[in-house]
Amino acid sequence: GENVEQHPSTLSVQEGDSAVIKCTYSDSASNYFPWYKQELGKRPQLIIDIRSNVGEKKDQRIAVTLNKTAKHFSLHITETQPEDSAVYFCAAFGTYKYIFGTGTRLKVLA
Amino acid sequence: DTAVSQTPKYLVTQMGNDKSIKCEQNLGHDTMYWYKQDSKKFLKIMFSYNNKELIINETVPNRFSPKSPDKAHLNLHINSLELGDSAVYFCASSQDYGGSKTQYFGPGTRLLVL
Repeated sequence: GENVEQHPSTLSVQEGDSAVIKCTYSDSASNYFPWYKQELGKRPQLIIDIRSNVGEKKDQRIAVTLNKTAKHFSLHITETQPEDSAVYFCAAFGTYKYIFGTGTRLKVLA
Repeated sequence: DTAVSQTPKYLVTQMGNDKSIKCEQNLGHDTMYWYKQDSKKFLKIMFSYNNKELIINETVPNRFSPKSPDKAHLNLHINSLELGDSAVYFCASSQDYGGSKTQYFGPGTRLLVL
């Protein structure tokens, strides 16, 4: 069945460093790849997304890259800040539904 | 203005009881979803409705029954609650189910079955 693998499961970085989270999807029909940030006790919130006809998208300190051939997509956060600490989920939209990755707990150490 | 709202926020109940969670969206979206997030934070889709019609039913026990009285509401009724049902349940909505549409999540309902 459809699957999205996400790595790493936990990531600790020093404030100001970069963080990279990687996802791999299995459904070739997937055409939309959002990333969500979930703070403790809160709802997942969309932070950036990318469509299958685009290879890269950037929004200030956040960027996402997509390699359709390899079925990989990645989230890049530069100049990390303590408020970036949260759980990040990737997702892939395939046939009528979103499949979520297993989440990455990012800790930014001050 | 709350885009996607859920009630209740917390639900503590005994095994075997029946409970309902309500969800409403004021975004004018056609598609609504229920997700379960377990203690390990895995987000798994349970159901999806488009304009009151069931689109996705993801191998969820029959004890879970969604109901969509209109496209702005999607409620979840759970019969004979079990310990393993303890989780956070998120409602979400999107413009339609055709893809490339942002999903907006509700605040979640934390269910604890004792």
